[in-house]
Amino acid sequence: GQQLNQSPQSMFIQEGEDVSMNCTSSSIFNTWLWYKQDPGEGPVLLIALYKAGELTSNGRLTAQFGITRKDSFLNISASIPSDVGIYFCAGQFAGGTSYGKLTFGQGTILTVHP
Amino acid sequence: KAGVTQTPRYLIKTRGQQVTLSCSPISGHRSVSWYQQTPGQGLQFLFEYFSETQRNKGNFPGRFSGRQFSNSRSEMNVSTLELGDSALYLCASSPEGGNYGYTFGSGTRLTVV
Repeated sequence: GQQLNQSPQSMFIQEGEDVSMNCTSSSIFNTWLWYKQDPGEGPVLLIALYKAGELTSNGRLTAQFGITRKDSFLNISASIPSDVGIYFCAGQFAGGTSYGKLTFGQGTILTVHP
Repeated sequence: KAGVTQTPRYLIKTRGQQVTLSCSPISGHRSVSWYQQTPGQGLQFLFEYFSETQRNKGNFPGRFSGRQFSNSRSEMNVSTLELGDSALYLCASSPEGGNYGYTFGSGTRLTVV
């Protein structure tokens, strides 16, 4: 089963508002990734984080790799209607047993009202 | 640069049948991973292949298998299909399968009736 706790499960916001979501884990990860998935499509990588404390931006998106390596957050500023979708965090351990294996959070469903 | 291509996009099978899904990774990517996505269990790792070898495997029964060809294309097979196998099957490719972001395909939607 999944080891990541992602919150909130869903968000209903007005266009222009900022959004924040986070993931926590009982295990230490070497990599944190944030993906967005649209209906009927595969997840699309938004931001990748590789070092504890790292803060990375991609346009209106900002994500941080927690100092403890057990958490990460994603912020979206000035939301727009096309931000609608499901956002997933994913973590990856180091070492051979982690090859190709991402552990995913349950997802945050984002709805943006114009 | 072409993305990850999965075929077919949709599939309907009957219980007890078997199915084969295909994934073509991004050119130059040698690692292919497979995931099952269901509303109840979310995204779960099935297995990973690199240079035609399975390097990692998730907690799925032996009915789920895969292989990778010399051109890095991969197939997964599910035998003796059960209703619970209905899901979106996603493959993801990466250069080496290490700690790098993975690029996902659009998935194959499998419905078992």
